[in-house]
Amino acid sequence: GQQVMQIPQYQHVQEGEDFTTYCNSSTTLSNIQWYKQRPGGHPVFLIQLVKSGEVKKQKRLTFQFGEAKKNSSLHITATQTTDVGTYFCADLIYNQGGKLIFGQGTELSVKP
Amino acid sequence: DVKVTQSSRYLVKRTGEKVFLECVQDMDHENMFWYRQDPGLGLRLIYFSYDVKMKEKGDIPEGYSVSREKKERFSLILESASTNQTSMYLCASVQTSSYEQYFGPGTRLTVT
Repeated sequence: GQQVMQIPQYQHVQEGEDFTTYCNSSTTLSNIQWYKQRPGGHPVFLIQLVKSGEVKKQKRLTFQFGEAKKNSSLHITATQTTDVGTYFCADLIYNQGGKLIFGQGTELSVKP
Repeated sequence: DVKVTQSSRYLVKRTGEKVFLECVQDMDHENMFWYRQDPGLGLRLIYFSYDVKMKEKGDIPEGYSVSREKKERFSLILESASTNQTSMYLCASVQTSSYEQYFGPGTRLTVT
């Protein structure tokens, strides 16, 4: 079946450093959604990318969708301790009720 | 404010027991989902439901069943719990205008 691969699995950074997580698929992605899960919490929707080559920003977070719609990335500039958590990408399957195929997630830890 | 609730945060059951996990949403969403989350595997879809009494298998339905008698309630049933079903279970409902998924707080199930 369809798979979404996400790397790295873990990332440890010093506060103030940048962070990037990558999402890849061997097949064309429909729409990409990104979620954040704080430690002990549940996934919370961050953003959805729809168009090839799309770039969206939310403060220090930059989301990109590849030109071929086979990859996506989330980049955080100057990480803060509040960025700690696991970041998931997910491929949205419209014709199955909005089903999501999740990547494995990247767990980010930030050392103050 | 959007709300998805799950019946228990923590649950301990014995092997062979029948287990019911309940999820309730107050947003009048038609589509609801059950996932399990395991370290390194991300979120994997067990079952989803388009509407009352409608259900579809996800990627890992074996050992599980579901019930959707009312629009707001989606139950996950473990017919005979086994130790490999020890996991975090997350329920979600989706707003079909944006396909943003709203997650419940999760139930951490331990089967001994």
